[in-house]
This record gives sequence, C-alpha cells and structure tokens, in this order.
Amino acid sequence: EAGVVQSPRYKIIEKKQPVAFWCNPISGHNTLYWYLQNLGQGPELLIRYENEEAVDDSQLPKDRFSAERLKGVDSTLKIQPAELGDSAVYLCASSVGGPRADTQYFGPGTRLTVL
Amino acid sequence: DAKTTQPTSMDCAEGRAANLPCNHSTISGNEYVYWYRQIHSQGPQYIIHGLKNNETNEMASLIITEDRKSSTLILPHATLRDTAVYYCIGSAYSGAGSYQLTFGKGTKLSVIP
Repeated sequence: EAGVVQSPRYKIIEKKQPVAFWCNPISGHNTLYWYLQNLGQGPELLIRYENEEAVDDSQLPKDRFSAERLKGVDSTLKIQPAELGDSAVYLCASSVGGPRADTQYFGPGTRLTVL
Repeated sequence: DAKTTQPTSMDCAEGRAANLPCNHSTISGNEYVYWYRQIHSQGPQYIIHGLKNNETNEMASLIITEDRKSSTLILPHATLRDTAVYYCIGSAYSGAGSYQLTFGKGTKLSVIP
C-alpha cells in the first residue's frame, strides 16, 4: 500500500515569493492534516480536512496561508508571500476518520527554506 | 489533550531493550496513549497506541499503568535504526470524526553500538 505522498521534498525560495506544497493521502483516507514542524520541535497542526471540508483551521495563519482539498482527495497548502520565519518542514498526514482511535500516517514532509 | 512529560534524551545499547517512559497524569478516561517516532529527515512514524490494556505489535510493546497516569514503550531489541525522537501523545476525540494529536518535544533515543 502506498503511503502519503508529498512534493516537493525540498524547496528554497526568496522571501515574498509564493510557494505551494502538494499532498496525496493514502487511498480511502477521508481525513487529511497539514502540520508545521520547526527545528527541534514536534509537529503542530495547521489545518484538518474531513473529505473536502476544512473542519479545524484555527491554527492556520490566514493572512498568508491557504489550503484546499478539492474533491476530497489531494490537497495543496500555499503560502503567499513567504517570510523568513516560514522556514520549516511542512508535513501532511491522513487517517481513515471516525469516532474511534484513528491512527494518522505521515508523509516525508517538504522542507522549506526562505532566504 | 493530556499533557505528557518525557525525558529529553536516553541512550540504549544495541541489542538491549529500550524502555521509554511517559507521564500523562492528567489523561482523561477516553484519551488514548499514542506513540510515534521520527527518524532524522523523515515524517513521524506510528508505533503503537492503547487505552487501558497493554498492547504489543511487531514494533514494540506498550505498558500502561493501572491508574493510566504513565506508560512505557518497550523496544525489545534495539538496533541502530531505532535511533530517533519518540513522541508520547495523549489523544482525545476532537469531534467531527477525528482524534487530535498534540506533539511535545519527545525523547531523543540514541542506540549505541
């Protein structure tokens, strides 16, 4: 079974430029998550989707970050414009979903460097 | 979600059992204890989870105390590839069909040859 796929794996941009990250979850997984991980810290949730609906985006900085999950499968996370402090690893995870213990499976992440 | 407390770092000799402790004294009755690990430059990897009973799978064993205030992850025969950051997470149902994971800083396990 294929895992969570993310691309690109690495991205280097200059500040004020836009950037987008793509995630393809595990087939059949209804719930999709985007996390941000700063160096030396654990991942922090940015947004959670149930199918195509964003049900928890309280931690997403909406002035510059946006996300979409059209058709409830793939998802894209965008930053525009990027700032120096956005340098981090952006992780995507997916899970089956449902009102019971629901294991999240993570992709390899995209490492963003903003110069 | 319950706040968890883990040692910052631990060492373990290769081939020996690695016992990683976690305190979660504020865990509620419906919160699961999840363990993930993250090897350098990779995404977090699911290891195991449990509610009340001890659990075992092909990767590890999870021992939860009877009062559920602490747990121990056991890697029975640590190898160099087990060197990673291990996260202990209390996960409660957050509504709308999902459990929330709140990661701390975890324990950096170094397996020594």
